[in-house]
Amino acid sequence: GAGVSQTPSNKVTEKGKYVELRCDPISGHTALYWYRQSLGQGPEFLIYFQGTGAADDSGLPNDRFFAVRPEGSVSTLKIQRTERGDSAVYLCASSNSQGIDTQYFGPGTRLTVL
Amino acid sequence: AQSVTQLGSHVSVSEGALVLLRCNYSSSVPPYLFWYVQYPNQGLQLLLKYTTGATLVKGINGFEAEFKKSETSFHLTKPSAHMSDAAEYFCAVSGVRGSTLGRLYFGRGTQLTVWP
Repeated sequence: GAGVSQTPSNKVTEKGKYVELRCDPISGHTALYWYRQSLGQGPEFLIYFQGTGAADDSGLPNDRFFAVRPEGSVSTLKIQRTERGDSAVYLCASSNSQGIDTQYFGPGTRLTVL
Repeated sequence: AQSVTQLGSHVSVSEGALVLLRCNYSSSVPPYLFWYVQYPNQGLQLLLKYTTGATLVKGINGFEAEFKKSETSFHLTKPSAHMSDAAEYFCAVSGVRGSTLGRLYFGRGTQLTVWP
């Protein structure tokens, strides 16, 4: 079946602009995670959704970052007033439920802020 | 809080040689443990995971890892490397309860090169 998909695969923007990154999880997966992977680093947790609600957003670096999942499926990560330090690969993962169920990762969106 | 240390950002082996990628974790309670592999331009793929039970865990592509609580380690091994094993490998832990359950904490990764 279809895996996790993320769009766009690449996004180049200018400092100060607003961007939206989209994640389509595996159908039926209730848990959805966003991670950020900077160059030479492992992925860092940003936010976790169980259904429509953000169960844990403690990884969001500041209030310029926001994510939604209005219908419990597709999620959008929104970044306002982008900064050069936001440049990274943004990864989305989904799993059948929270906990030890395997997280399936998408290919990521590479964000470059000029 | 959980944290993961992967010793060696780059490991090189010859084809057919033993692969050993090291991972140590820090956690107030024994966490769940994972190894993921990332091929170029692809998403992270789960190799294996330890939750409970037998401490030697077998995964895909001939990889295995052993949870050693006394050493707080979860090293990844494969008896004989293949060219197709060249990739980046990430060790990760997750908490076992509450808000940390399911939230993955990753190491910085180890790039494996396999020489013919």
